[in-house]
Amino acid sequence: DAGITQSPRHKVTETGTPVTLRCHQTENHRYMYWYRQDPGHGLRLIHYSYGVKDTDKGEVSDGYSVSRSKTEDFLLTLESATSSQTSVYFCAIAGTGQGVREVTEAFFGQGTRLTVV
Amino acid sequence: DQQVKQNSPSLSVQEGRISILNCDYTNSMFDYFLWYKKYPAEGPTFLISISSIKDKNEDGRFTVFLNKSAKHLSLHIVPSQPGDSAVYFCAASTSGTYKYIFGTGTRLKVLA
Repeated sequence: DAGITQSPRHKVTETGTPVTLRCHQTENHRYMYWYRQDPGHGLRLIHYSYGVKDTDKGEVSDGYSVSRSKTEDFLLTLESATSSQTSVYFCAIAGTGQGVREVTEAFFGQGTRLTVV
Repeated sequence: DQQVKQNSPSLSVQEGRISILNCDYTNSMFDYFLWYKKYPAEGPTFLISISSIKDKNEDGRFTVFLNKSAKHLSLHIVPSQPGDSAVYFCAASTSGTYKYIFGTGTRLKVLA
């Protein structure tokens, strides 16, 4: 357990409504990520963060925004949800955390299943 | 543009035999490669990695081979077990960036 919690785990929302997914980590890792998993597309990087208030776009960032106001929380916001954003969303962490060893592989949360109707 | 490709969506192997999963990449800046395993309704879990300074890395039943000139890596599982049935993702990164790009995944089914 890498100390990652995603919330909510499941959500159904209507087209056009805003949605925020939360990722919380307890081990002080520098890097945090949001991926989406879709059949035929694998895992695609949406946005990632390399520190508090430092974020960058990934492969499929259109329609998504992120914020990281403190080390432990990384929020993903769909400003106006569309059916194409129905997916399973995974948060991940990497980089130096508590302890000496630098983590060079990403650890994933359990995922959030989002359905936009 | 898919920078990391897994061209086999699925693979079936008999229990006890070798499973070989393949991955190709296009970005020559990638120098760190990882394999993940994913069960349904769970997050991906890290399996094994390899740096471009090596061409092979082994961990128990899992071995990853890297062919830099061909921009190709493979994961060998020997012997395959029914519990290995899962979706396997390869991922690539450039050292120091901590930006991981994943492939589309290969669904492995190990038949008892």
